[in-house]
Amino acid sequence: GAGVSQSPSNKVTEKGKDVELRCDPISGHTALYWYRQSLGQGLEFLIYFQGNSAPDKSGLPSDRFSAERTGGSVSTLTIQRTQQEDSAVYLCASSLGLAGASGGEQFFGPGTRLTVL
Amino acid sequence: ELKVEQNPLFLSMQEGKNYTIYCNYSTTSDRLYWYRQDPGKSLESLFVLLSNGAVKQEGRLMASLDTKARLSTLHITAAVHDLSATYFCAVDRGDDKIIFGKGTRLHILP
Repeated sequence: GAGVSQSPSNKVTEKGKDVELRCDPISGHTALYWYRQSLGQGLEFLIYFQGNSAPDKSGLPSDRFSAERTGGSVSTLTIQRTQQEDSAVYLCASSLGLAGASGGEQFFGPGTRLTVL
Repeated sequence: ELKVEQNPLFLSMQEGKNYTIYCNYSTTSDRLYWYRQDPGKSLESLFVLLSNGAVKQEGRLMASLDTKARLSTLHITAAVHDLSATYFCAVDRGDDKIIFGKGTRLHILP
């Protein structure tokens, strides 16, 4: 079946511009996560959606970052007034949650590489 | 606060050798995941370990979980070049969020 998809795969923008990154999770997955990975680093949690519950935004680094998930499916991560330090790969993952048979296993999309000039 | 530590962070080894990557975590959890990441690629799920004493094997890789010691190991047997990648362990916090280690960059010399 189809995995997690993300678009665009690459985005180059100028400092101060806004960007939107999109994530299509695996159909039926109730949990959706956004992470950021800087070059050669581990994963930094950004935000988590689970079903209809309020999202966990505890990982968002500043109020320039926001995300929404429409209809419990597609999610968009928006970064306003981008800064050079926002340059990273943004990864989306989805899962069935802890209640799922896979025990909360997360499946990752290919990522969006964001470069802020 | 849950902290996840992997060691070593970088490992260069010869083909045919055995080695173990360690993942320690700081608070109680009984769910742990191992992922592989190739350069420029996303993360691929390798193992899901859901209970104390769990052991999973796939080819030359074997993962185990000791929840009492808060330790998981990823053992590589008779390494081959194709296993060169970065390996991440991740531990469930108990609230559907997982915390990742910094990753172990494995380089296997032919």
